[in-house]
Amino acid sequence: QKEVEQNSGPLSVPEGAIASLNCTYSDRVSQSFFWYRQYSGKSPELIMSIYSNGDKEDGRFTAQLNKASQYVSLLIRDSQPSDSATYLCAVDMIYNQGGKLIFGQGTELSVKP
Amino acid sequence: DTEVTQTPKHLVMGMTNKKSLKCEQHMGHRAMYWYKQKAKKPPELMFVYSYEKLSINESVPSRFSPECPNSSLLNLHLHALQPEDSALYLCASSQGAGNKETQYFGPGTRLLVL
Repeated sequence: QKEVEQNSGPLSVPEGAIASLNCTYSDRVSQSFFWYRQYSGKSPELIMSIYSNGDKEDGRFTAQLNKASQYVSLLIRDSQPSDSATYLCAVDMIYNQGGKLIFGQGTELSVKP
Repeated sequence: DTEVTQTPKHLVMGMTNKKSLKCEQHMGHRAMYWYKQKAKKPPELMFVYSYEKLSINESVPSRFSPECPNSSLLNLHLHALQPEDSALYLCASSQGAGNKETQYFGPGTRLLVL
């Protein structure tokens, strides 16, 4: 089992719809979870970090964390063509030495006008 | 300001060349990272420096040699690389190297080894 798993996609949604991106992780005691967006040919850009169970909202983005189910998700409301990118889930696993993020394979999102 | 800068943006080198990648941050961060990213794959951690000391080496071949001259600068020295080392090399920094530390990435250096 991979440590961090994401659906590779591509996930295609129409403009204005809600895009839902999912991530599961293997280590029950992980504490820190991050969503990065990466445009083709560019570097990863932080979208959201989340550390506690529940929802965290920032503009059109909502991260949801359920530690009991070892599941973290990212919802993008009112999706825009400019949201088309690869979304990387990253988990800072406590058993690793500090600073080691484990990335999922990424989900490619395509928002169609 | 969450800016991490990297130079050069692009680099082409032969297998016998020696070159260096540079990374700089002025956010007062005390942890810096090198990642390698191949096309359609996630970033793979190579090295972590915490308070200017190497804290993680992910079994990277010795043809890659990191250096942290001070808390703002991180170099990656390259020597006798192979074509399969062609990739996007990303530098990142964070306030510390503990849990709950957000890593901010630079724009990357796209390396091609001929």
